[in-house]
Amino acid sequence: DQQVKQNSPSLSVQEGRISILNCDYTNSMFDYFLWYKKYPAEGPTFLISISSIKDKNEDGRFTVFLNKSAKHLSLHIVPSQPGDSAVYFCAASALKKDDKIIFGKGTRLHILP
Amino acid sequence: NAGVTQTPKFRILKIGQSMTLQCTQDMNHNYMYWYRQDPGMGLKLIYYSVGAGITDKGEVPNGYNVSRSTTEDFPLRLELAAPSQTSVYFCASSTRAGNTEAFFGQGTRLTVV
Repeated sequence: DQQVKQNSPSLSVQEGRISILNCDYTNSMFDYFLWYKKYPAEGPTFLISISSIKDKNEDGRFTVFLNKSAKHLSLHIVPSQPGDSAVYFCAASALKKDDKIIFGKGTRLHILP
Repeated sequence: NAGVTQTPKFRILKIGQSMTLQCTQDMNHNYMYWYRQDPGMGLKLIYYSVGAGITDKGEVPNGYNVSRSTTEDFPLRLELAAPSQTSVYFCASSTRAGNTEAFFGQGTRLTVV
């Protein structure tokens, strides 16, 4: 049973436009959420995170939005750049349980010139 | 600044052979993780450790074993390799579960034939 779901395997966005990557979760114990970026032949690298006490966190071109009632979060990249082409993983953990990090399947983002 | 180091980077095993994937980190992190990533799939947690001497199963532990005798090292053992274990394996570490970014190694690509 997938606890973290990324339902779009891939997404293509024109350079300079906004990229929106979506993630849903089922476990109501999750209270911390992270996005990772992965290039081919490399390990994932941390991008941005958000605690369940917030509904938005921004870091430069990257903003994560959290809708707890819908158990949904999204990553916005504005403006999209060629170097943003990568696989993006949504991840979640239950801090109150001091628990492990669970990842989604990932979304491959293609930035088109 | 090494971070998380995995060896080997590539390996081909015959069915029934055994091997140990090595992982070491130099950041004094308590938490360490082993994930596998199958083609088109996300990262699935195999085992994790919250500190030296403590390990616990993740989502897909069958066919693997781990040990954590030191803070730095978290080796993953495959005893009887099977084709279903063909995957890319990632080791990661963090200061604690979830609320701090996990640092990943570059991965070990394992093929079982």
